[in-house]
Amino acid sequence: AQSVTQLGSHVSVSEGALVLLRCNYSSSVPPYLFWYVQYPNQGLQLLLKYTTGATLVKGINGFEAEFKKSETSFHLTKPSAHMSDAAEYFCAVRIGGSQGNLIFGKGTKLSVKP
Amino acid sequence: DTGVSQNPRHKITKRGQNVTFRCDPISEHNRLYWYRQTLGQGPEFLTYFQNEAQLEKSRLLSDRFSAERPKGSFSTLEIQRTEQGDSAMYLCASRLGLAGGTGELFFGEGSRLTVL
Repeated sequence: AQSVTQLGSHVSVSEGALVLLRCNYSSSVPPYLFWYVQYPNQGLQLLLKYTTGATLVKGINGFEAEFKKSETSFHLTKPSAHMSDAAEYFCAVRIGGSQGNLIFGKGTKLSVKP
Repeated sequence: DTGVSQNPRHKITKRGQNVTFRCDPISEHNRLYWYRQTLGQGPEFLTYFQNEAQLEKSRLLSDRFSAERPKGSFSTLEIQRTEQGDSAMYLCASRLGLAGGTGELFFGEGSRLTVL
């Protein structure tokens, strides 16, 4: 069965520092991978997605993620954190060809210190 | 606004009461999903519809929960005889279900349920 593991339920960085949020998945077939962001009391907003093709994916707000099949990872990065990046981030996996039921990780809460 | 709309945003109820949430998806989206999110957890799949047909239900969806999408447009999620463990954010999402599609879901802002 497919699953998603997000390492670190809480990550704290200083403004301007590198953001690295880790996501590992398990899947027996090529997955589609997603990162979503959730601000307090709001729904989820798509940051970026990997389906096929280029393994380095760029998303909104300066975020990017790299699909590494050999490591079964899809870590999210941003070179320079901004205060507005403080939110909860969820990694999700969908098995290609399935009916689109996304399976989410437990989330990583990102705090940004001034 | 053409996004996914959910009502009510907040609902406080007493244990044992029934509650109903409504979701209006993006108009051209034929697939509609319900997820539940509790504090400190990611969204957990409950059920989904393709048009008016309910195609999959999670084991999380006990017999006190029922979802409908009668005309293939909006959907309702009803919880009967609410329990304190039902307190959660209920998220609705939709997408256009095309063969080979990427599966990106568009989420509403959620309906937060508090059961006293």
